[in-house]
Amino acid sequence: DIQMTQSPSSLSASVGDRVTITCRASQGIRNDLGWYQQKSGKAPKRLIFVASSLQSGVPSRFSGSGSGTEFSLTISSLQPEDFATYYCLQYSTYPWTFGQGTKVEIK
Amino acid sequence: EVQLLESGGGLVQPGESLRLSCAASGFTFSTSMINWVRQAPGKGLDWVAGFTGGGDSLYYADSVKGRFTISRDISKNTMYLQMNSLRVEDTAIYFCGHGWMAVWGQGTTVTVSS
Repeated sequence: DIQMTQSPSSLSASVGDRVTITCRASQGIRNDLGWYQQKSGKAPKRLIFVASSLQSGVPSRFSGSGSGTEFSLTISSLQPEDFATYYCLQYSTYPWTFGQGTKVEIK
Repeated sequence: EVQLLESGGGLVQPGESLRLSCAASGFTFSTSMINWVRQAPGKGLDWVAGFTGGGDSLYYADSVKGRFTISRDISKNTMYLQMNSLRVEDTAIYFCGHGWMAVWGQGTTVTVSS
């Protein structure tokens, strides 16, 4: 199975900060990776697909990069509505695997 | 618009069964990929099972293999997750998702407790 190691597990940041979350795959997954945002009590929402494509309707302050084993999600200027938990998902090979999640909190 | 609606969750005792439903609309159900993901209370996301659509292939996480089964009724645009021999550790919110989890349902809660 492919392991996805996500870091950090949590971070505190201020409105306007630039934030980067990373995921490392235990083996190459091409660009078969998505990033998801989950707010408390809600279903996850996809932000990024195929590693760097922005989902329709998602603000352009979100961006994804990477290929192979190293991936990142960047929020260029954190907004109040961005405080949430973020997950990566590899769908290159079954069983699909998620990162452990990154909780973004207000400093 | 792609929409998914899960139902069928509830409170059961260990060893009992439940069948979850995922009613789909807004896309060609017969050839579409659908996956199930769960989230235990206070925990992260955990992929459970998947159906690849046109390829008709089924996949299961090791933790549910032999106990959970995916099926579908194309006439009803509905995917099912039959869960047998439920364990306390199966307690979670269960979500279904379209494609590469592009769109998620709102989830249905399964609680396994004696």
